[in-house]
Amino acid sequence: DAGVTQSPTHLIKTRGQQVTLRCSPISGHKSVSWYQQVLGQGPQFIFQYYEKEERGRGNFPDRFSARQFPNYSSELNVNALLLGDSALYLCASSRDSSGNTIYFGEGSWLTVV
Amino acid sequence: GIQVEQSPPDLILQEGANSTLRCNFSDSVNNLQWFHQNPWGQLINLFYIPSGTKQNGRLSATTVATERYSLLYISSSQTTDSGVYFCAPSGSARQLTFGSGTQLTVLP
Repeated sequence: DAGVTQSPTHLIKTRGQQVTLRCSPISGHKSVSWYQQVLGQGPQFIFQYYEKEERGRGNFPDRFSARQFPNYSSELNVNALLLGDSALYLCASSRDSSGNTIYFGEGSWLTVV
Repeated sequence: GIQVEQSPPDLILQEGANSTLRCNFSDSVNNLQWFHQNPWGQLINLFYIPSGTKQNGRLSATTVATERYSLLYISSSQTTDSGVYFCAPSGSARQLTFGSGTQLTVLP
C-alpha cells in the first residue's frame, strides 16, 4: 500500500500570493492532520480533519484553511503569504481521530520570497 | 497546552555506541510517539508508546506516564541512525505536540 503522499514536493511563491498543498492519506485512514515545521524546530500542529469535519485547529492565523474531501484526501490553503510562512508542511494520516499511530508524508517545502 | 522538553539537544556518537534520549512532558497524556526525521525531512514513526516498554530491533522505548517522561534507547548505533529524534505526546486535545528534538550524529 502507498504511504501518505503530498504534492507538490517543492515550491516557491512570492509574498502576498496564495498556495494550495495536497495530501492523500494511507488507504483506509480517515483522519488527516497538517503540521508546519520551520527550520530548526519541531513540527507545529495546524489542523486535524476526520470524516470531512475539522476536529482541531492550532494557533495559526485565519490565512490558513483546510478541507477534507469524501475520499479523505485533504488540501491546505494559505493566503497572503508572508516570508515567515516558509517551512516544510507535513501531512499525516491515522485510522481515526482517537490518537493512535500517525504516519507522515514526505512534506511540501514552501519557500516564500 | 503540553510542554515538551527533550534532552540532550545534540549528541555525537561513534558507530557501535549506545545512547539514551529523554523526553519530559508537563501534563498527563493519552498518546506518545517517537519519530526519526532523516536529513531529507521524512518523519518516520518509531514507536506508539503511551505507557510501558516496547522494543523494535536495536531501538526500544519506555514511557512512565505517572512520572511524565519517556526514554528512547538506541543500541549499537549505525551511521544511518543519524538525524533528529522527536518525542510527541498528546493529551485530551489529541493533537501531537512535538519537542525541539535531539540531533543525533553517528560517526563511522
